[in-house]
Amino acid sequence: GAVVSQHPSRVICKSGTSVKIECRSLDFQATTMFWYRQFPKQSLMLMATSNEGSKATYEQGVEKDKFLINHASLTLSTLTVTSAHPEDSSFYICSARDAVSNQPQHFGDGTRLSIL
Amino acid sequence: GEDVEQSLFLSVREGDSSVINCTYTDSSSTYLYWYKQEPGAGLQLLTYIFSNMDMKQDQRLTVLLNKKDKHLSLRIADTQTGDSAIYFCAEFGNYGQNFVFGPGTRLSVLP
Repeated sequence: GAVVSQHPSRVICKSGTSVKIECRSLDFQATTMFWYRQFPKQSLMLMATSNEGSKATYEQGVEKDKFLINHASLTLSTLTVTSAHPEDSSFYICSARDAVSNQPQHFGDGTRLSIL
Repeated sequence: GEDVEQSLFLSVREGDSSVINCTYTDSSSTYLYWYKQEPGAGLQLLTYIFSNMDMKQDQRLTVLLNKKDKHLSLRIADTQTGDSAIYFCAEFGNYGQNFVFGPGTRLSVLP
């Protein structure tokens, strides 16, 4: 079945570091990928919608310069957390929508980001 | 705006049936989904139902949709300890062209 691969699964780094998270659709093409953030014991919060070949659409309250998104191909989107601080520590999950069938969303396994 | 509600906790005994309920507000929802999240993991698609259906069964899972009341339920028959997880209801509506997730129901299966 359709698979979305997210890498790395866990990152621990110092405050001020920039961290890049990759999201790949392995056996389908995804014109649209989504980036979510999940705080402990809470639901997913959509951060941005990543569109292949164009600028990402950010949700209200999400800083574009803080969370850089690049969707350079139909199988890869990246989220870069720039100059990360402890408050950026969270669980980040990506999902992708099959461009052909358009349904449903398939999720990566998430990246746990811990900023010291 | 679109909103999805779920009860936050459910406890059942192993072997019993679990019923997780969800209500939503977007009447234009075309698909409704159930996802499962185990600790520290991403979301696993369990099943989904098209809005013109009222029931879908897949092995131990039964989804019931009451479109008039905007109510969705997930029944897990013969619940096992491996079913312990958080279950998210989600809708895909035409208004925002995006998924809207409920807060998740934490299912605990007691031996």
